[in-house]
Amino acid sequence: EVQLLESGGDLVQPGGSLRLSCVASGFTFSNYAMSWVRQAPGKGLEWVSVIAGNGANTYYADSVKGRFTISRDNSNNTLHLQMNSLRAEDTALYYCAKGMSMTTVTKYDSWGQGTLVPVSS
Amino acid sequence: QSALTQPRSVSESPGQSVTISCTGTTSDVGYYNYVSWYQHHPGKAPQLMIYDVNNRPSGVPDRFSGSKSGNTASLTISGLQAEDEADYYCCSYVGRNTLGVFGGGTKLTVL
Repeated sequence: EVQLLESGGDLVQPGGSLRLSCVASGFTFSNYAMSWVRQAPGKGLEWVSVIAGNGANTYYADSVKGRFTISRDNSNNTLHLQMNSLRAEDTALYYCAKGMSMTTVTKYDSWGQGTLVPVSS
Repeated sequence: QSALTQPRSVSESPGQSVTISCTGTTSDVGYYNYVSWYQHHPGKAPQLMIYDVNNRPSGVPDRFSGSKSGNTASLTISGLQAEDEADYYCCSYVGRNTLGVFGGGTKLTVL
């Protein structure tokens, strides 16, 4: 059974930094793209970032480009999202998701329960 | 990249069928056969219901089906059940080296 467990969400002040993690189990982690998707309060889903299974390719939403960095540790089945220069509009529930292939940017068949990131002073 | 356009809400009675539309452009939905649909019950993990326009992942009931015509993709749910009440999001591939784009989401109410 695929399991994705996010952690790291916490209250942070504007301009601050936070690192989210997602520990995966139940599948061969390095064979699949992974993604972070967020949902702001009262809003819809938004892709934040995607990383290919081998880590060779990464993609970011324009809203986070230059501030967020996605990475993965395939030896420890862990996905990370380093978030710097956080803004109030980054406040959201952040989901970790598993892709259906090495490089997909639209097909994610398993999702975690999410970790909450409130950005406020 | 602009979000895909979905109706904000739809409603139908149990046992009936409902179709949710997702309108894009010739650069996304109209060009690529890479449209996915996600079901999201608030507070829970989203679930992939349809991928590549009309394919169902294992475990998704065949009451859920997808299609596409021109720039508009559609999700049809037949034999509506109470547990189908959720938010539904479409998503399309928009090209190499970039993320996909979601629709704004449709809230399905089963009356």
